[in-house]
Amino acid sequence: QQQVKQSPQSLIVQKGGIPIINCAYENTAFDYFPWYQQFPGKGPALLIAIRPDVSEKKEGRFTISFNKSAKQFSLHIMDSQPGDSATYFCAASSAGGTSYGKLTFGQGTILTVHP
Amino acid sequence: IAGITQAPTSQILAAGRRMTLRCTQDMRHNAMYWYRQDLGLGLRLIHYSNTAGTTGKGEVPDGYSVSRANTDDFPLTLASAVPSQTSVYFCASSLGLNTEAFFGQGTRLTVV
Repeated sequence: QQQVKQSPQSLIVQKGGIPIINCAYENTAFDYFPWYQQFPGKGPALLIAIRPDVSEKKEGRFTISFNKSAKQFSLHIMDSQPGDSATYFCAASSAGGTSYGKLTFGQGTILTVHP
Repeated sequence: IAGITQAPTSQILAAGRRMTLRCTQDMRHNAMYWYRQDLGLGLRLIHYSNTAGTTGKGEVPDGYSVSRANTDDFPLTLASAVPSQTSVYFCASSLGLNTEAFFGQGTRLTVV
C-alpha cells in the first residue's frame, strides 16, 4: 500500500520554467513532510521540509505548498536551472502511530531542465 | 566528516549466496534505516532501528535481517539472495524522530 503518491513520474521544462511536483498522502498522523533531491549515483539529500502548522515554506528558489484538508503538498521550483535536473522525492513521517519516525517516500519524479 | 559510509559500492551476487551490506555513521545519530530503491517505486523501508539494541521491520522486510550492536553500525544481511533483491540499497540515519535523514551513497546489488 503506497501511503504517499507522487506525480508526475517525469517532467521536462525549459530553463526558467516552474516545475511543480505533487504528492498526496493517506495517513492523517503524518506531521513532517520533507522533499529530497537525488543526483545520479548519489544518495538522496534533504532539500526542504514543512510541518502542517504552515501552508507554505520557501527556501531560495524552492517552495513547498501544503494543503492539510486535501492531504496534499507540492514542490515548486522557481526559475529552474539545468543544475536542478535530478530525481525528487516527497516523503512523510509522524512522531507517533505505526509510522513512528519512519519516512514513507513517494515514487519519485525525474526532472529534466533544458538549457 | 564522513557522514554515512556504505560498503561495498556495488556487488554482483549469485542467487542463494549470503551477503552483508555494511553501513557506518559517525554522526552519533540514534536512528538508522535501510531502504531499497527501485525505479517507479521510490525508496521503500526494509528495516530500521530507533536506538542501539533495537530494530524493527519496515515495509519490505522479507529476506533481510539487521542488527544494531552499537550506535554507529547497522549491517543488512541477505541470508539467501534472490534475483528480486536486485536493487540499489541506501542506508540512512537521523538524530531523532521527524528530523533530517542523511543518506549514504548506496550499494548497487545485482543478484544473478
